[in-house]
Amino acid sequence: AQKITQTQPGMFVQEKEAVTLDCTYDTSDQSYGLFWYKQPSSGEMIFLIYQGSYDEQNATEGRYSLNFQKARKSANLVISASQLGDSAMYFCAMRETGGTSYGKLTFGQGTILTVHP
Amino acid sequence: KAGVTQTPRYLIKTRGQQVTLSCSPISGHRSVSWYQQTPGQGLQFLFEYFSETQRNKGNFPGRFSGRQFSNSRSEMNVSTLELGDSALYLCASSPDAQGAGNTIYFGEGSWLTVV
Repeated sequence: AQKITQTQPGMFVQEKEAVTLDCTYDTSDQSYGLFWYKQPSSGEMIFLIYQGSYDEQNATEGRYSLNFQKARKSANLVISASQLGDSAMYFCAMRETGGTSYGKLTFGQGTILTVHP
Repeated sequence: KAGVTQTPRYLIKTRGQQVTLSCSPISGHRSVSWYQQTPGQGLQFLFEYFSETQRNKGNFPGRFSGRQFSNSRSEMNVSTLELGDSALYLCASSPDAQGAGNTIYFGEGSWLTVV
């Protein structure tokens, strides 16, 4: 069963506009963490933002914010004021704390974001 | 503060050979995990080490192994390489894998090509 679902294989956005990348997840754990990473073509996985399952406020990191809707099991990434350098693959990931999931991240399939000038 | 360092960045090996990849975590981080990324399978968890102990392992054959040293540096080894082992291998470090709250940082990855 897929635990992280990113339904948008590719997204396009105009420079300086905002864009939302979707992520839904599935877990029976009460304690879990949700991550977003950016992966440019060089391969490095760059940490963007983290949201804990018990965090009441949505996480924000500069131009990145995470729209966390726990009841709907969604953790969408919002990038404001897109820049050309934001063009990359974006991954949503979850870390659970129970059973065989201990200590590992489960990733979605990724969304390729292209920012147009 | 130095990030996660992986070596080598690129390597080409022949089928049947073995390869060792190295990862130095962020200073003070004791948890190191490894992931394989391929176009077909995406990102898959290989194993996680904490204080020199493997605490979790993904669904990979025994040809894939790893270890962690007392200074938290980690190595992974793939023996009897197959063409399908061609992938980007990513190392990640975090202060402590306990709980969901520790941020996990990745290195630049090691690109392995098996010919």
